[in-house]
Amino acid sequence: AQSVAQPEDQVNVAEGNPLTVKCTYSVSGNPYLFWYVQYPNRGLQFLLKYITGDNLVKGSYGFEAEFNKSQTSFHLKKPSALVSDSALYFCAVRDPGSSNTGKLIFGQGTTLQVKP
Amino acid sequence: NAGVTQTPKFRILKIGQSMTLQCTQDMNHNYMYWYRQDPGMGLKLIYYSVGAGITDKGEVPNGYNVSRSTTEDFPLRLELAAPSQTSVYFCASSQQGSPLHFGNGTRLTVT
Repeated sequence: AQSVAQPEDQVNVAEGNPLTVKCTYSVSGNPYLFWYVQYPNRGLQFLLKYITGDNLVKGSYGFEAEFNKSQTSFHLKKPSALVSDSALYFCAVRDPGSSNTGKLIFGQGTTLQVKP
Repeated sequence: NAGVTQTPKFRILKIGQSMTLQCTQDMNHNYMYWYRQDPGMGLKLIYYSVGAGITDKGEVPNGYNVSRSTTEDFPLRLELAAPSQTSVYFCASSQQGSPLHFGNGTRLTVT
């Protein structure tokens, strides 16, 4: 079965330090991977996606993610965290059987807390 | 540029009542989705639609119904509300190959 796992419920980091939010996936075939961010009382906002090509993908707000096929991972990274990055982050994979529907399978979410 | 608009923002229902969660998008997207978000569970797909007149079940469709009479609108109907339907509901839309655009959600409590 297709699935996405975010092994950490919460990540704490000091402002200015690098951050990593982990994601692993299990899908058949080539994965289409996404990261979304959710601020309090708001919907999810798209950050970045990996479809094919370069394993390092750059996205919004200075975030990037590294696709690692051998480790089936797609970790979200940022070189220098900001307090305003504090939010709930979701990793998602497009259901490989749904190329014509766009359905996504979401991980459980990871709360990022950046302390000043 | 409104994007995806959901109404109402909040609602409290008694067990057995019914209601419709409204969702409309102004981006002319063909694909629309309803997800529910529960703490620590991520988002689960309830129903989706690939175009007007076409709907299909997602992962957790029981207790819900949808319709898609126009490209813009994708309402979600709860016929007999149950406490297990207490959740935050998100509507989203997209075009093929593009990221999902989400509304700001409807927080529903069933007591």
